[in-house]
Amino acid sequence: TQLLEQSPQFLSIQEGENLTVYCNSSSVFSSLQWYRQEPGEGPVLLVTVVTGGEVKKLKRLTFQFGDARKDSSLHITAAQTGDTGLYLCAATSGYSTLTFGKGTMLLVSP
Amino acid sequence: ETGVTQTPRHLVMGMTNKKSLKCEQHLGHNAMYWYKQSAKKPLELMFVYSLEERVENNSVPSRFSPECPNSSHLFLHLHTLQPEDSALYLCASSQDWPSGLSTDTQYFGPGTRLTVL
Repeated sequence: TQLLEQSPQFLSIQEGENLTVYCNSSSVFSSLQWYRQEPGEGPVLLVTVVTGGEVKKLKRLTFQFGDARKDSSLHITAAQTGDTGLYLCAATSGYSTLTFGKGTMLLVSP
Repeated sequence: ETGVTQTPRHLVMGMTNKKSLKCEQHLGHNAMYWYKQSAKKPLELMFVYSLEERVENNSVPSRFSPECPNSSHLFLHLHTLQPEDSALYLCASSQDWPSGLSTDTQYFGPGTRLTVL
């Protein structure tokens, strides 16, 4: 069973701060996705990374896939209150269905 | 309506009740999924349907019974549930399954918050 460990489990910061959350595994994945889930809603895909060492940027969000394709990080610059939500990583190997981590709950206060 | 919709959004039921959750996708996708999201646990995949055929059943108790009458609709029939079944039930769809495409995206509905008394 593939296991995705996300850290930290909970993060509370002030608006304007920077933060990084992590997604780690002992397994190698063919792709990894990051989702954000806002209260009362389903997860929404932010990005998919497929190449070891790949870095993708989405405005203030920077996503990195580890060289060995076992881990990933999400860095947010100058967090805003609208970034509040549960950040989930999910990964797949070949034709398997997605495996999700437990998520990092981010709270950004004004 | 666009995307993936789920009804009802909230449901409270007793252990002896029978109820159904409904999911509808307006994206023209061929695959649909049921997930269970409990506090402090990863999303758990329950069932996968591809072209209206069940292709995956992850050891889900028989008190959960899925139905996919067509590629746009997915139901989850519930009967004699237990309090530990209380959770957020999420429906999702994707273009195909298995995609074989690492970039295939799953689109989630808003979920049904289920409470079993």
